[in-house]
Amino acid sequence: QVQLVESGGGVVQPGRSLRLSCAASGFTFSRSAMHWVRQAPGKGLEWVAVISYAGTKTYYGDSVKGRFTISRDTSENTVNLQMNSLRTEDTAVYYCAKDGSSYGLLGPFDSWGQGTLVTVSS
Amino acid sequence: SHELTQPPSVSVSPGQTARITCSGDTLPNQYVYWYQQRPGQAPILVIYRDTERPSGIPARFSGSSSGTTVALTISGVQAEDEADYYCQSADSSGTSVLFGGGTKLTVL
Repeated sequence: QVQLVESGGGVVQPGRSLRLSCAASGFTFSRSAMHWVRQAPGKGLEWVAVISYAGTKTYYGDSVKGRFTISRDTSENTVNLQMNSLRTEDTAVYYCAKDGSSYGLLGPFDSWGQGTLVTVSS
Repeated sequence: SHELTQPPSVSVSPGQTARITCSGDTLPNQYVYWYQQRPGQAPILVIYRDTERPSGIPARFSGSSSGTTVALTISGVQAEDEADYYCQSADSSGTSVLFGGGTKLTVL
C-alpha cells in the first residue's frame, strides 16, 4: 500500500533554514505529482507547493513563493522541501501528499503522510 | 478569485443529514475534492471530481455541484463522522491549489 513518511521537522529560529523530506513507497513514484500541505496549530489546511511527476514543473503558494523550493529524487523515491528565511508564521505540521490524478498537478490528494512538525521560534 | 468559502460549523443529530457547502468563482470550471480530518490525524479523501466516492468510503457520503457552489452531504450521520471537512479545488490559471477554510461537523 502507499506509504509516505515525512522527516526533518524540528525547532528553528526565525530567518534560518530547514529541509524536509518525504520517503514514498507502494506506488509508481515517477507517475505522480507530489505536494506539500501544511496546517498551523488549530488552523485549516494550506497548500504549500507541488512538483510534477517528471520534476519539470513546480508551483508554490503565495505565502512561501521565493523562500521555499520543492524537489524530487526519483532514484530515491523522495520529495523534499527546502525552507529558507523561515518566519514564525511558518510554524505548522507539514504533510507530504500524493496527487491521485494521472500526471496532473491539482489534486486530488489520495494519500497523505502523518506529517512533521516545524516550529519557528526564537 | 483565490478563495473557497465554507461555513465554519455544522451540527446535526445522529441519523440526520448533514450538508456542507463550498463556494468559489472557479468551481464551474474546476473539479472539487473533499477531505475528512479527524483530530490528530492526517486528512483522507472522501469525494473526488465533485461527486465520485473513493473505494472504502461509505455510501452515506455524496457530493453535488451547481454553478459556483458545491456540497458534501452525509446521510444518516454517525458519531464517527464528527470531524473537520475541507473542500479543495484549483485557481483559474491551473497553477495553484485552493483549500476552503474547513467546516467542523459536530454530531450532537
